[in-house]
Amino acid sequence: RKEVEQDPGPFNVPEGATVAFNCTYSNSASQSFFWYRQDCRKEPKLLMSVYSSGNEDGRFTAQLNRASQYISLLIRDSKLSDSATYLCVVISSGGYNKLIFGAGTRLAVHP
Amino acid sequence: ETGVTQSPTHLIKTRGQQVTLRCSSQSGHNTVSWYQQALGQGPQFIFQYYREEENGRGNFPPRFSGLQFPNYSSELNVNALELDDSALYLCASSLVGTGNTGELFFGEGSRLTVL
Repeated sequence: RKEVEQDPGPFNVPEGATVAFNCTYSNSASQSFFWYRQDCRKEPKLLMSVYSSGNEDGRFTAQLNRASQYISLLIRDSKLSDSATYLCVVISSGGYNKLIFGAGTRLAVHP
Repeated sequence: ETGVTQSPTHLIKTRGQQVTLRCSSQSGHNTVSWYQQALGQGPQFIFQYYREEENGRGNFPPRFSGLQFPNYSSELNVNALELDDSALYLCASSLVGTGNTGELFFGEGSRLTVL
């Protein structure tokens, strides 16, 4: 079983739609959680951290459920520029910045 | 731009050959990590260097080795290349030596094709 699992998609949505991505992780000792974004043939970039209380950054909302070991990302009012692969990322215990990435969920926003 | 530069950007090798990939980290960053990203997959952690010492390693065989230099630049060496080594190799630098900030600054990667 992979440490971080995501629905690979692709999600094809029209502009303005709301879309939600889910992610589960297997290591209950995992300490920190993030969403990264990766554009086609480019490097991953940090989108946002994920906190137990939930957090929002503009049109993006991230949620963490430690009991279910489940992370989500909600994108409201999708834009064409949101088309990318969204990577769920977990840091397990260990004391150093070892990021464990999911395989990513591809989003395609169309006019 | 992240300030992390990698070279070469693309290269083609044959099975059994050796390859060296290079990375210059962002100014002031003392930690560098290497990741392998196969097509359609997320990046997989290879190892991390902090102050010229390896301080973490993923599930990769010993033929994957690395170095970090006093100026914090780094190399990834892969010996006895196999077809499955074909991937995008990403270097990432970070500001602190240890800790869980989660923010890595990635270079654009070196795309290796093994024939």
